[in-house]
Amino acid sequence: GNSVTQMEGPVTLSEEAFLTINCTYTATGYPSLFWYVQYPGEGLQLLLKATKADDKGSNKGFEATYRKETTSFHLEKGSVQVSDSAVYFCALSEVAGRRALTFGSGTRLQVQP
Amino acid sequence: ETGVTQTPRHLVMGMTNKKSLKCEQHLGHNAMYWYKQSAKKPLELMFVYSLEERVENNSVPSRFSPECPNSSHLFLHLHTLQPEDSALYLCASSQEWRVQTEETQYFGPGTRLLVL
Repeated sequence: GNSVTQMEGPVTLSEEAFLTINCTYTATGYPSLFWYVQYPGEGLQLLLKATKADDKGSNKGFEATYRKETTSFHLEKGSVQVSDSAVYFCALSEVAGRRALTFGSGTRLQVQP
Repeated sequence: ETGVTQTPRHLVMGMTNKKSLKCEQHLGHNAMYWYKQSAKKPLELMFVYSLEERVENNSVPSRFSPECPNSSHLFLHLHTLQPEDSALYLCASSQEWRVQTEETQYFGPGTRLLVL
């Protein structure tokens, strides 16, 4: 079956620090990959996505590259802000099939001023 | 600004109550989903509807009963719940995957449920 593994949090950084949140996946086919973000008290918002190998998704300064050879989709940002404090979820959906998302456990990011 | 709305945002209910959660999407999608987010557990898929037909029930207990009267609305009817059912219930929608290749799911803000 499909699975997504994320690094455990919380990750605590100072403002303007570099961020990496690791994500690896197991899938039987060729999934699409997503990062979602959940701010306190809110639902999930799509942050970025990639649909095939070597694609790079980017949004709001965040980037992630679909690495088929390492089955990874690590999230990076060069300079985090306090407003980036949230829980980040890596997810995949199968291209062939019902497309429901398989999520990682989430990584809480805390950015301190 | 999400095109998926959920009501109520918060709900407290006793184990003998019957209540319903509502989800509405304004994105022109035709697939809808219920997910459960519990503390310390990954998000779990509960139900999938495609073109108003239930296509997946992910081993959810019968005390949860979904209903999809049209492509814009999704309900989750609750009865005789247990305290361990307390969680954030998230609705999502997307284009139906057999019709479109764009499969991104868009989520509502969730209903936080507490069962006493």
